[in-house]
Amino acid sequence: TQLLEQSPQFLSIQEGENLTVYCNSSSVFSSLQWYRQEPGEGPVLLVTVVTGGEVKKLKRLTFQFGDARKDSSLHITAAQPGDTGLYLCAGAAGTASKLTFGTGTRLQVTL
Amino acid sequence: NAGVTQTPKFRILKIGQSMTLQCTQDMNHNYMYWYRQDPGMGLKLIYYSVGAGITDKGEVPNGYNVSRSTTEDFPLRLELAAPSQTSVYFCASSLQGSGNTIYFGEGSWLTVV
Repeated sequence: TQLLEQSPQFLSIQEGENLTVYCNSSSVFSSLQWYRQEPGEGPVLLVTVVTGGEVKKLKRLTFQFGDARKDSSLHITAAQPGDTGLYLCAGAAGTASKLTFGTGTRLQVTL
Repeated sequence: NAGVTQTPKFRILKIGQSMTLQCTQDMNHNYMYWYRQDPGMGLKLIYYSVGAGITDKGEVPNGYNVSRSTTEDFPLRLELAAPSQTSVYFCASSLQGSGNTIYFGEGSWLTVV
């Protein structure tokens, strides 16, 4: 069973602060996705990274896939209250149709 | 744009009862999935399907059954509900397999008492 551990589990910060969420595994993934989930809704895809060392930016969010494709990070610059939510990483191995989801990081950004 | 539609949104079941969670998608996606999410946790895959007539087990299939008679529909059946099945259930679909964008429904909150 492939496991994806996210840290921290909970994060409460003030508007304008920067933060980084980590997603780690001992397994190699062919691709890794990050989702954000708001209360009462399903997860929504933010980004997919497929190449070791790849960096993708989505406005104030920067995603990085580790060189060995076992880990990833999500960095948010100047967090805003609208960034509040549950952030989930999910890895795909080979041609499998299944994603393994991480344990999640719950972010709260206050004014 | 309907996307992935799940029903019901909320349900309370008594121990031992059975029910079916309905899921339909209008995006002509080949792949469909059922996940469960326990409070404060990530998602665990129950069953998935790569096309009509084909289903396969995920991480936590015990106590559940699925069928995929059409491309659009992927119902999840709970037989003999148990308190351990209290969870939020998400149906999802994607055009192809992992690595493609997966679209999730809004979730079905199930409580077994």
